[in-house]
Amino acid sequence: GQQVMQIPQYQHVQEGEDFTTYCNSSTTLSNIQWYKQRPGGHPVFLIQLVKSGEVKKQKRLTFQFGEAKKNSSLHITATQTTDVGTYFCAGPRSAGNMLTFGGGTRLMVKP
Amino acid sequence: SAVISQKPSRDICQRGTSLTIQCQVDSQVTMMFWYRQQPGQSLTLIATANQGSEATYESGFVIDKFPISRPNLTFSTLTVSNMSPEDSSIYLCSVEAQHGFRVQFFGPGTRLTVL
Repeated sequence: GQQVMQIPQYQHVQEGEDFTTYCNSSTTLSNIQWYKQRPGGHPVFLIQLVKSGEVKKQKRLTFQFGEAKKNSSLHITATQTTDVGTYFCAGPRSAGNMLTFGGGTRLMVKP
Repeated sequence: SAVISQKPSRDICQRGTSLTIQCQVDSQVTMMFWYRQQPGQSLTLIATANQGSEATYESGFVIDKFPISRPNLTFSTLTVSNMSPEDSSIYLCSVEAQHGFRVQFFGPGTRLTVL
């Protein structure tokens, strides 16, 4: 079945450093989604990428969708303590309405 | 975006008992989903609940253990039956957004501890 993998699992950064998480799917995706889960919270939708090679920005966050629509990345410039949390990518299954979530990357930021 | 509430927000239960978790949405939605998130882990889909039909369970999850009700387009319940400590997890309901393809919004979750 479809698998979605994320690396790294964990990342410690000093405040102000950049951070990147990578997402790879075993199958071609119609779109890729990113969610953020703060400690003790629930996943919150960040963004959806649909087009091959698409790049979207949200302030210090840059999201990319690969040309083959099988991989994606999230890059945070100059991390802040508010960026702490776990970032999940998710892709729709080829059949049905379900999503397959990656394992997540937990970001910790030292002030 | 939909506003989703869950009850209870947390509970501590004894093994062998059952807990029913409620999920309420402020608008009518076709699809509702139930997930389990074990500590430090990703989201695992338990089942998809459509109004007026039986829930569709993922591999490894069965109706006897996780019965689901979906009486209308704004409400669903998930019961965790005959609990064991391995059922200690966060249980999350989600709904599909009206805009965006297959985007989901999540409820705040129910933190369950089984002793």
